Amino acid sequence: DGGITQSPKYLFRKEGQNVTLSCEQNLNHDAMYWYRQDPGQGLRLIYYSQIVNDFQKGDIAEGYSVSREKKESFPLTVTSAQKNPTAFYLCASSMMTGRGNQPQHFGDGTRLSIL
Amino acid sequence: GENVEQHPSTLSVQEGDSAVIKCTYSDSASNYFPWYKQELGKRPQLIIDIRSNVGEKKDQRIAVTLNKTAKHFSLHITETQPEDSAVYFCAAGGSQGNLIFGKGTKLSVKP
Repeated sequence: DGGITQSPKYLFRKEGQNVTLSCEQNLNHDAMYWYRQDPGQGLRLIYYSQIVNDFQKGDIAEGYSVSREKKESFPLTVTSAQKNPTAFYLCASSMMTGRGNQPQHFGDGTRLSIL
Repeated sequence: GENVEQHPSTLSVQEGDSAVIKCTYSDSASNYFPWYKQELGKRPQLIIDIRSNVGEKKDQRIAVTLNKTAKHFSLHITETQPEDSAVYFCAAGGSQGNLIFGKGTKLSVKP
């Protein structure tokens, strides 16, 4: 189903290379999130943003960077400083209502591997 | 920091039996508890959620219970079917508006 689109589905990174993962949503959600998923580790928060031009570090932000120039877009860059980037990356979004947490809706993910 | 513990990590049941997955959380300010189902290689999908002003919520074969005093909540699936086989994640709403996820439970339903 639509709503949140992640691209590409598969991505390969060479040594010393930065790569950018795309996340776009048409749900008019204020908040967007990036998670990393490794086998047996669940979902770990990398960065999140609750408003345009503002974002916060999650639990594992080192080696990653983000931007939030538009409400519908929240790209994630995996920098060369991230020494173990191989993982499944999930983007999510949610409403911000001022009444506590709201359900997060996920994209289909990007699987990143090292060449 | 905020933490969510989820048990068991794997669960195997016979078709038609019930399955129960349990989670505990550390942040007493958490007030939102969703459950997600993730099939292999696919996105997590919200299956049920509960807020702290409610003790139990049901949706057909799925129910969630919450004990705020003990800081734990559980997912109950009755009359399990092979298509229920997936990884299930619990989560608790964090103080910054984010979600803290458990590490997941791989449920296998044997025909």
